[in-house]
Amino acid sequence: QSALTQPPSASGSPGQSVTISCTGTSSDVGGYNYVSWYQQYPGKAPKLMIYEVTKRPSGVPDRFSGSKSGNTASLTVSGLQAEDEADYYCSSYAGSNILVFGGGTKLTVL
Amino acid sequence: EVQLVESGGGLVKPGGSLRLSCAASGFSFSNAWVSWVCQAPGKGLEWVGRIKSKANGGKTDYAAPAKGRFTISRDDSKNTVYLEMNSLKTEDTAVYYCTRGYSDSTGGYHGDDAFDIWGQGTMVTVSS
Repeated sequence: QSALTQPPSASGSPGQSVTISCTGTSSDVGGYNYVSWYQQYPGKAPKLMIYEVTKRPSGVPDRFSGSKSGNTASLTVSGLQAEDEADYYCSSYAGSNILVFGGGTKLTVL
Repeated sequence: EVQLVESGGGLVKPGGSLRLSCAASGFSFSNAWVSWVCQAPGKGLEWVGRIKSKANGGKTDYAAPAKGRFTISRDDSKNTVYLEMNSLKTEDTAVYYCTRGYSDSTGGYHGDDAFDIWGQGTMVTVSS
């Protein structure tokens, strides 16, 4: 199972919106509504930000939203804040009890 | 406090073995599905494998690189999950995290696709 494809980097100024893509295939992203997104600061464990493509766990700001079209899922961060600067990873259920992650995107707040 | 704590990492030679532990506290461990996720230095996250709760058969599944070399087991009496790693290769060098499947507010359980509690990770270095 190949890793999902994410852009290595993304950036935006405070207050702006940024969208990070996560491209897979019909066997993973396109085939299931089980895409999750994680935020990870350097040296720290990941934090769940989005699950089931669009849902936010309690405590995650509504500035974070998820969507999916075909084989590509997206994470949008609106009203960028300095604290949003981190690495972001998508994951997708890929059938047969397998999970696959994306390669990660480093988000820089300019 | 709800937490997972990994231990057992260290330096091992290629071909060697290592057993990692993941101790849980603060929640009903026996109901949890637990996954292991690794992260090579400077690289992305990679799912290693998962063990279901005993109520769901205790089934294990593994990513292709781990299949046949790694074994996940659990001891609910000790609130602990283990990752037995054999025939280690230099490319297994990574931080290994254990993580819990997420129970959402509507009662849905995401044992295979979303993880809400993560340990701090334990470093495994495979080198001669």
